[in-house]
Amino acid sequence: DIQMTQSPSSLSASAGDRVTITCRASQTVSSYLNWYQQKPGKAPKLLIYGASSLQSGVPSRFSGSGSGTDFTLTISSPQPEDFATYYCQQTHSTPYTFGQGTKLEIK
Amino acid sequence: QVQLQESGPGLVKPSETLSLTCTVSGGSIGTYYWSWIRQPPGKGLEWIAYIYYSGSTNYNPSLKSRVTISLDTSKNQFSLKLTSVTAADTAVYYCSRGKYSGDWFYFDYWGQGTLVTLSS
Repeated sequence: DIQMTQSPSSLSASAGDRVTITCRASQTVSSYLNWYQQKPGKAPKLLIYGASSLQSGVPSRFSGSGSGTDFTLTISSPQPEDFATYYCQQTHSTPYTFGQGTKLEIK
Repeated sequence: QVQLQESGPGLVKPSETLSLTCTVSGGSIGTYYWSWIRQPPGKGLEWIAYIYYSGSTNYNPSLKSRVTISLDTSKNQFSLKLTSVTAADTAVYYCSRGKYSGDWFYFDYWGQGTLVTLSS
């Protein structure tokens, strides 16, 4: 299985700060890398697919980059509704695997 | 607007079989990969399996011996059966739609999730 490791596991930021979350794969996943946002008690919501393509309806303050084994999710200026847990997921090969999550909290 | 809704017992006894159904509305079953994904309380996400609209399946090897996924296109439903459950199977179970856009594959629609708890 491809292991996905996110860092940090949690971070505190103020609304308007630039936030960066990193995801590393244990082997190359090309650009088969997705990012999801999950709020408490809710299902995950797709933000980014193909490492850098923004899902329809997702605000442009979210962006993704990377390829191979190293990826980044950036929130340019987090809004109050962005404080949530974020997961990366590889769909390069089955079993599809997720990172352990990064909890973004308000400072 | 596509909607997915999980249904099934919220309580299962150890060693018995967990059975869940996902009903898809607002869209067709066709050309998509219908998946089950679970999340133990306070933990991360685990992909369980998918079934393509043609009926082909793919299972997570960690669960393959205990899992069956099936599709009923006439009802726009797909189902999960997980046998010989233990406390480790306590989780919120999500159904989700897998989709290709060009080369890229992702899960774009999710059900609200259903908590399945083991209790004797």
